[in-house]
Amino acid sequence: DAGVIQSPRHEVTEMGQEVTLRCKPISGHNSLFWYRQTMMRGLELLIYFNNNVPIDDSGMPEDRFSAKMPNASFSTLKIQPSEPRDSAVYFCASSWRTASNQPQHFGDGTRLSIL
Amino acid sequence: DQQVKQNSPSLSVQEGRISILNCDYTNSMFDYFLWYKKYPAEGPTFLISISSIKDKNEDGRFTVFLNKSAKHLSLHIVPSQPGDSAVYFCAASATGNQFYFGTGTSLTVIP
Repeated sequence: DAGVIQSPRHEVTEMGQEVTLRCKPISGHNSLFWYRQTMMRGLELLIYFNNNVPIDDSGMPEDRFSAKMPNASFSTLKIQPSEPRDSAVYFCASSWRTASNQPQHFGDGTRLSIL
Repeated sequence: DQQVKQNSPSLSVQEGRISILNCDYTNSMFDYFLWYKKYPAEGPTFLISISSIKDKNEDGRFTVFLNKSAKHLSLHIVPSQPGDSAVYFCAASATGNQFYFGTGTSLTVIP
């Protein structure tokens, strides 16, 4: 079975440019999460969706960040304009939300470098 | 504020010995805890979990212990193998959906 698929794997761009990260969750999963990994704070939750609806975006650092989930099989995280401090590895994860606890399944991440 | 803390950024262990990775949390409402393993250039992969109704869960060489009164959990790997060298993240949840992660501990198993 295909896991969570993220693209691109690497992105290098100049500050001020728009960056779009993409995620395809595991088929059948109805929860999707965007994380950012930094040395200082580890894995930070940015936003998560249940059934394509954003539930909690309190982790989104500022208005330059936005996320969408137009359907159950696709989500984007956009940064506009990008800044050097946005450089990090961004992970997408998905899970099947039931009454019981379920672990999240992660993609391999997008390594973003803003020059 | 970090609700889940891993105070040891790195750990080195000889092959065959026990590896003990520690994790502390502050939120007494957390009721589900997990450990993830991460290799370079890959995403974290789920390793083992424990519910707050238990104090121990074992899966092969991996055992997770939970001490609710101390708000502490640990992961024991016995015996440690070179392939266990990775970054280990602990995570906790109060809702079964949103997880809070620690900053990770890099384990090196020396052959």
